[in-house]
Amino acid sequence: DTAVSQTPKYLVTQMGNDKSIKCEQNLGHDTMYWYKQDSKKFLKIMFSYNNKELIINETVPNRFSPKSPDKAHLNLHINSLELGDSAVYFCASSQSVGQGYNSPLHFGNGTRLTVT
Amino acid sequence: DAKTTQPNSMESNEEEPVHLPCNHSTISGTDYIHWYRQLPSQGPEYVIHGLTSNVNNRMASLAIAEDRKSSTLILHRATLRDAAVYYCILRDDQTGANNLFFGTGTRLTVIP
Repeated sequence: DTAVSQTPKYLVTQMGNDKSIKCEQNLGHDTMYWYKQDSKKFLKIMFSYNNKELIINETVPNRFSPKSPDKAHLNLHINSLELGDSAVYFCASSQSVGQGYNSPLHFGNGTRLTVT
Repeated sequence: DAKTTQPNSMESNEEEPVHLPCNHSTISGTDYIHWYRQLPSQGPEYVIHGLTSNVNNRMASLAIAEDRKSSTLILHRATLRDAAVYYCILRDDQTGANNLFFGTGTRLTVIP
């Protein structure tokens, strides 16, 4: 079974559209993350949720809205897509911050978003 | 988080050991040293982490300098599957934030 799964794997859409990326983890973790990897391959954190509550929100346009319906899911909704949003988006999960700051992160295999 | 410096790329022959260096001269006393790797078209994968002592696991070994200003990830026998970008990351144990800051990493090429 895949530990952290993201759907879709590829997403091609036009500027101005609204799209969502779904993420689910079956590891029993209660902290989840979204990372963005741009064309230069830099990986940057966007959001972090612990027990469905937002704990990290880096400088991300408010067109990006994470939603965590439960501890096992963290979806990313993007409004009014722009060309610069083209990137690979990775979801990750880990044990709760309170149970060890250095618990490893488990990543999904990414969603490649292309905005035309 | 303190900064790390890694070579952009390295090559290794298959079945030979690989030593991937990382400099972190501004490391603080509460920073753990983490290594992740990213295989082509996949998400990052945890490899190993340590604080002061050398660490071993099934994937690799981590050798940490006595002054902690540098560390080396050791793959004992490189395989083609080890070709990836390897990231050395410092994580502060005190901040309470579990995010990771990824630098540019070292792209490892394994030659058959």
